[in-house]
Amino acid sequence: QQQVKQSPQSLIVQKGGISIINCAYENTAFDYFPWYQQFPGKGPALLIAIRPDVSEKKEGRFTISFNKSAKQFSLHIMDSQPGDSATYFCAGSTLGRLYFGRGTQLTVWP
Amino acid sequence: GAVVSQHPSRVICKSGTSVKIECRSLDFQATTMFWYRQFPKQSLMLMATSNEGSKATYEQGVEKDKFLINHASLTLSTLTVTSAHPEDSSFYICSARKSSGSGELFFGEGSRLTVL
Repeated sequence: QQQVKQSPQSLIVQKGGISIINCAYENTAFDYFPWYQQFPGKGPALLIAIRPDVSEKKEGRFTISFNKSAKQFSLHIMDSQPGDSATYFCAGSTLGRLYFGRGTQLTVWP
Repeated sequence: GAVVSQHPSRVICKSGTSVKIECRSLDFQATTMFWYRQFPKQSLMLMATSNEGSKATYEQGVEKDKFLINHASLTLSTLTVTSAHPEDSSFYICSARKSSGSGELFFGEGSRLTVL
């Protein structure tokens, strides 16, 4: 059972545009929601994370929006760049364990 | 930032042999490490949780006799794939949780196993 549902599966955005990836969860025990970026053949790297007591977190071009009542959260990448092309995973965490979404393959065209 | 090193990054072995993959936290102590498996273009699947000095906790459906995990020190966990078969070919990734501070999780670079 997929505890975190992620969409879209793939996303193509023009350089300078906004990339938006959405995730939804059911487990109300989740207390930490990180986003990871993964390049081919590499391990995932933490991009940005949020806790459920906060509705938004911004770090540079990356913003997480969190809607606790709807059990949804999303990643916004502003001014998307070709170097942002990668696979992005959202996750929910409880008791120290991470449950990943299926991933979104982002391609940013120059 | 904290660094987690995996070795080897790539390994090719014959069917029936055993392969050991190491996961080291280089600049921090990690009481807990996690092992994941990732198939091409798919998400990371948690295989087991490894706690220093105790037996690993395996996820449902993961064969503990097939995937041996040892966490002998606060900086090293190993995954041994025993009697490997072609279906075990995959990308194996470890992560380590800092014992102190925020308990943030850091991932290794992954190990690509190909079983011929």
